Parts: sequence; structure tokens; C-alpha cells
Amino acid sequence: DTEVTQTPKHLVMGMTNKKSLKCEQHMGHRAMYWYKQKAKKPPELMFVYSYEKLSINESVPSRFSPECPNSSLLNLHLHALQPEDSALYLCASSHDRGRFYEQYFGPGTRLTVT
Amino acid sequence: GQSLEQPSEVTAVEGAIVQINCTYQTSGFYGLSWYQQHDGGAPTFLSYNALDGLEETGRFSSFLSRSDSYGYLLLQELQMKDSASYFCAVRPSADNYGQNFVFGPGTRLSVLP
Repeated sequence: DTEVTQTPKHLVMGMTNKKSLKCEQHMGHRAMYWYKQKAKKPPELMFVYSYEKLSINESVPSRFSPECPNSSLLNLHLHALQPEDSALYLCASSHDRGRFYEQYFGPGTRLTVT
Repeated sequence: GQSLEQPSEVTAVEGAIVQINCTYQTSGFYGLSWYQQHDGGAPTFLSYNALDGLEETGRFSSFLSRSDSYGYLLLQELQMKDSASYFCAVRPSADNYGQNFVFGPGTRLSVLP
């Protein structure tokens, strides 16, 4: 199984809502990532979990809160978002420190903040 | 800071060969990756160069020159399905085991019949 799954595929939320994005992989990978991608732009790294511990937070606003319940699951909790947070949110995974360069991406959640 | 440059668009015909360049200026360097992304799809890994030279994977090859801070992706025998965006990506350092990862702006490849 070389698949990373993400739910939901689409999400529309108001600025006062709380929602969560979910990501799952069953490849035994020990690093998982959240990216944000705006239209016609490259993915931008938000968070990295390594062995279920947060290892990188790229100065992301606190309205985004990641969580890694176990080695297969990654969540991104959203609260009080702004319209400019509308984007495609991609989850990825990779083997541990030796192969961070080869990441497997999920199909993404397209988020619209109204 | 980190800076990567790629051509914004490249057009070629089926069966041709195309080269997509990537230059980088980073605080450190720990390898260059290439990813393909079709419209509406997820990025998929193509290749990785940690050392100088050419890496070949089927119709795709990738080259790196660390002294020139330069790499390229070479696509041979182009097919219509190769129409996509191509991103180079850099691991700027080995800090945190190189988990920080920066993508270039992307090159939109259009393959014409």
C-alpha cells in the first residue's frame, strides 16, 4: 500500500468554525508533513512530525494546530481561520531521516474559508 | 533565506526532449529533489540527487552540480501525459535531519501533439 489518504476532499467553513483535517498512511513511514498550496504556487511546508513528535513548525499561526495520535495518523485542527487561509492542504509521509527527500503525498483537502 | 529559480513555462512536442533547470541559493544544501504535479493532483516524487552527476530513471533523468548550485530534470520521449507542473525542492540543511523542505516556484510543461 503506497497510498496516503486525506479527508475530507473539500471543506467550506466560516471564520468562527472549528474543523479538522485528517491524514492516514499505512506504509510504515515515521515522518509526516502538512503543506499548504495556493493556486499556481508551490507547496509550502507547515509542520513536520518525526516519530510522532513535532519536529518542525514553520512559523505557522496558532489557528492551525497539528496532532499526531499515532504513527499512521496526522490531524490538522482549524479554528478561527481567515479567508486568506483558503488553499489546498496536502499531507505527505516519508521514511525516517534517511529518506526525507522522497515524500508520498495525499490528494489534499481543498479548504474554503468564508 | 532560501531561493530557488525555475523557468515558469516550457512547451515541447510529443517525442521531443526537454530540460527544466533549477538554480538555488540556500543557507545550506543537502540534496535536490524533483516532483511532478498534474492539475488537480498531488505532487509525486520523480528523483533525488545528493551528489554531483546524472541519475537516470526510465525516461526521466536528473542532474546536479553542487559547485554551480544548479540542477536540471531531463524528460525524453515526451508524451502528452507529461503535461504537468514540475517542482525542484531542496533540503537546505541537515538540521532536524533535513526535514525542512523548500519547493521551487514550479515549471509548467505543455506537451503538444
